[in-house]
Formats: sequence, structure tokens, C-alpha cells
Amino acid sequence: GESVGLHLPTLSVQEGDNSIINCAYSNSASDYFIWYKQESGKGPQFIIDIRSNMDKRQGQRVTVLLNKTVKHLSLQIAATQPGDSAVYFCAENTGGYNKLIFGAGTRLAVHP
Amino acid sequence: NAGVTQTPKFQVLKTGQSMTLQCAQDMNHEYMSWYRQDPGMGLRLIHYSVGAGITDQGEVPNGYNVSRSTTEDFPLRLLSAAPSQTSVYFCASSKLDRDGGELFFGEGSRLTVL
Repeated sequence: GESVGLHLPTLSVQEGDNSIINCAYSNSASDYFIWYKQESGKGPQFIIDIRSNMDKRQGQRVTVLLNKTVKHLSLQIAATQPGDSAVYFCAENTGGYNKLIFGAGTRLAVHP
Repeated sequence: NAGVTQTPKFQVLKTGQSMTLQCAQDMNHEYMSWYRQDPGMGLRLIHYSVGAGITDQGEVPNGYNVSRSTTEDFPLRLLSAAPSQTSVYFCASSKLDRDGGELFFGEGSRLTVL
């Protein structure tokens, strides 16, 4: 919603540039990680996921990198577009099924 | 395909009042869950269910009750609302997979407790 996202870190990029959003996760036993995109007034929308036996996964214009050594996850968006403006959350699955623990989020602002 | 449907979208309550947030999904998902989202914070898990008749607590269950009488529906009840429960609530569902999988979210229900 409109009030969600206040006080979040913001990444500002120019349209056409590549964006990199970073996330540190907490549990070394987590085995599944997801990136979600949330537009204002809407629910989170799945972007891409990665399992702990991988260190990189690519989708359409998006790539997720996983570094288990330092418990770090990143989302790369190629050729960022105005429609990519949103809050992005990483989430980790700590205990089976989909008991996801979400990060605080990063706001991506794309400028023309 | 409706996906995950939440009602109401907006609600204002007075302290002490009770209400139920409704959630329904038409994807035949066994797993359903409720999250709350507060400004500057990520989503926090309130309760979840792995099938009809089975529910369990998440990170922040206090003040909320749930039940799962059917696969489709997973209502969230506030028995005595408090201002601390002012938040945006999201219901989500997915296939039942021990290794996780795509979680589908509703559009959210914005609750204000005065």
C-alpha cells in the first residue's frame, strides 16, 4: 500500500541501466530463496527463485546470485524500465513448506 | 482465474471490536498463510496451514486466530482488535512442497484500529 515502503532504502537508476538489489539473509540452514516485487497497493509478485544447490539463476531480464559463504543474495535487472519501479523483497525458506522470512525490502526508482 | 481473493480491502475498527478477514483461493493449493506488513518492514508470518483441518503459528500469532475447514478458504480472525494490529494483511497460497515454491499473494486488506 501507499504507506508500505516508508523508510526503506532506495536505489535510483536511469532507464536502460542495469540494477542490482542486494539482500543479506539470516539463516545458514535456509535452502530456498525468492525475490518478490511489490507495486504500490498490490500484493507481492513472484520474480525468480533459487535453491541452495545453485549459485546463479537467470530469468527474463533478471538474474539472481546466491553466495552462501557470506549469506548474500542479489537480484540483477537488465535494462531497467519504468515498469520495474517497485519495492523488492528477498525471502528465505527456513523450515520447510513455504514458511518464508522476508527482508525489509528495497525501493527501486527508475528515472527517464 | 481469480487466484487469491481477500475481503474486505479496507476496514476501520475500534479497539476491542472483532472481525474476520476472508481469504479464498481457486488454485486447489494445500498451503495457505497470512502475513502482515508494516511500514519499513517486510512481511511477517502470522499463521499458516498445510491442509484442511491443519493450522500452525508463524512469527507473530498473538491476537489472531485461524481455521481451515475447506481447502479453498482460510479466514483470519481478530477477537479483540488493538491499535498495534493496524497493518496491511496479505493472504498467500501455494502447492504443498517441502522445498518451497512460488507463493501467490492476494491484493491485501488494509486494517486500521482506532
